[in-house]
Amino acid sequence: EVQLVESGGGLVKPGGSLRLSCTASGFTFSSYSINWVRQAPGKGLEWVSSISSVGTYIYYTDSVKGRFTISRDNAKNSLYLQMNSLRAEDTAVYYCARVVGSSWYWMDVWGQGTTVTVSS
Amino acid sequence: DIQMTQSPSTLSASVGDRVIITCRASQSISSWLAWYQQKPGKAPKLLIYKASSLESGVPSRFSGSGSGTEFTLTINSLQPDDFATYYCQQYNPHSFTFGPGTKVDIK
Repeated sequence: EVQLVESGGGLVKPGGSLRLSCTASGFTFSSYSINWVRQAPGKGLEWVSSISSVGTYIYYTDSVKGRFTISRDNAKNSLYLQMNSLRAEDTAVYYCARVVGSSWYWMDVWGQGTTVTVSS
Repeated sequence: DIQMTQSPSTLSASVGDRVIITCRASQSISSWLAWYQQKPGKAPKLLIYKASSLESGVPSRFSGSGSGTEFTLTINSLQPDDFATYYCQQYNPHSFTFGPGTKVDIK
């Protein structure tokens, strides 16, 4: 079964750090770009970051640039999101999602999400 | 970046109804649009890609159409399992943009 499983969420104080993980199974992880997408409570979906199949290309939404770092370890079928200088507005469910397509892209497999709460 | 809007924001319907959700782009995106369904507490699920291609395993009562700046998601004969929020998505170079969502609830 093709699957993505996130972990690492939790409660953290403003200014703190957290590292999210996403573990893949059932497909050749190293062949796919992966996104992080978040959803604040009661809000819509927001793309956060993308990493290409071997990590060559990395992109971030403006609000997390300089604070979040996406990375991957293809030998471990794992994706990471290091989140530093966290703010209340980073509170959300964070999903990892497999990216498919060529020249234009969409997401066909999603994890179940991990919840990040930034609060004092 | 290209901005996406959806209408309506909320739609009340009954089982068996035909439901149409509209997504508009701020500039032409050809046929480069995807649709997702999300139920409360669950991850989004891909329904449609490239505006009209049905993802494997998605019931045929779901269909997508449109090109350029206006797109529609149609649900024929709404089922109890279809009450959810629906999002459109497009791809800018190096980023992804979602519409604000349309919640389909029970009339």
